[in-house]
Amino acid sequence: EVQLVESGGGLVQPGSPLKLSCAASGFTFSSNWLNWIRQAPGKGLEWVASINPDGSSTYYPDTVKGRFVVSKDNAKNTGYLQMNNLRSEDTAMYYCARSRWFAYWGQGTLVTVSS
Amino acid sequence: DIQMTQSPASLSASPEEIVTITCQASQDIGNWLAWYQQKPGKSPQLLIYSATSLADGIPSRFSGSRSGTQYSLKISRLQVEDTGIYYCLQRYSNPLTFGSGTKLEIK
Repeated sequence: EVQLVESGGGLVQPGSPLKLSCAASGFTFSSNWLNWIRQAPGKGLEWVASINPDGSSTYYPDTVKGRFVVSKDNAKNTGYLQMNNLRSEDTAMYYCARSRWFAYWGQGTLVTVSS
Repeated sequence: DIQMTQSPASLSASPEEIVTITCQASQDIGNWLAWYQQKPGKSPQLLIYSATSLADGIPSRFSGSRSGTQYSLKISRLQVEDTGIYYCLQRYSNPLTFGSGTKLEIK
């Protein structure tokens, strides 16, 4: 059974860092793109980051470029999203999703940025 | 950036009816379009990819089509469990962009 389990969310102050994890099982993690998508409370979906299967290429929208870093450890079947200099507008549920079509999503982890 | 204009914002329909949701791309994106369903309190689920291909395990009541830069999701024989918010996604070019969502209520 395919599973993606996010963790690491929580309440942080503006300007703080936070690192999210995405533990994968049930598929060949090393052969899949890993993506992060977020959803602010009551709002729509926003793509945040993507990384190719071997981790050699990463992609971000301008809203997080320079602050967020996506990575994956294929030996540990785990992906990561390092978020730096967090802002209130980064408050959202963060989902990881596999493949270029976001074919399967985790249950999400909530990040709240507030003083 | 490519804009995806999704309509309607909401709709209400009865069981067994047919509904159609559309996304208009601001430029040519070929078949690089997907549709997702998000049920209340749940994560999104892939329904359609490559504009017309049905994702694994998705009922054939769901179908996707394309006419130029307009993309449609048709749901036939509506069921109560189809309640949720539907989003389109273009992955033709970065930044990947979603439509604003269509909230579907089953009467």
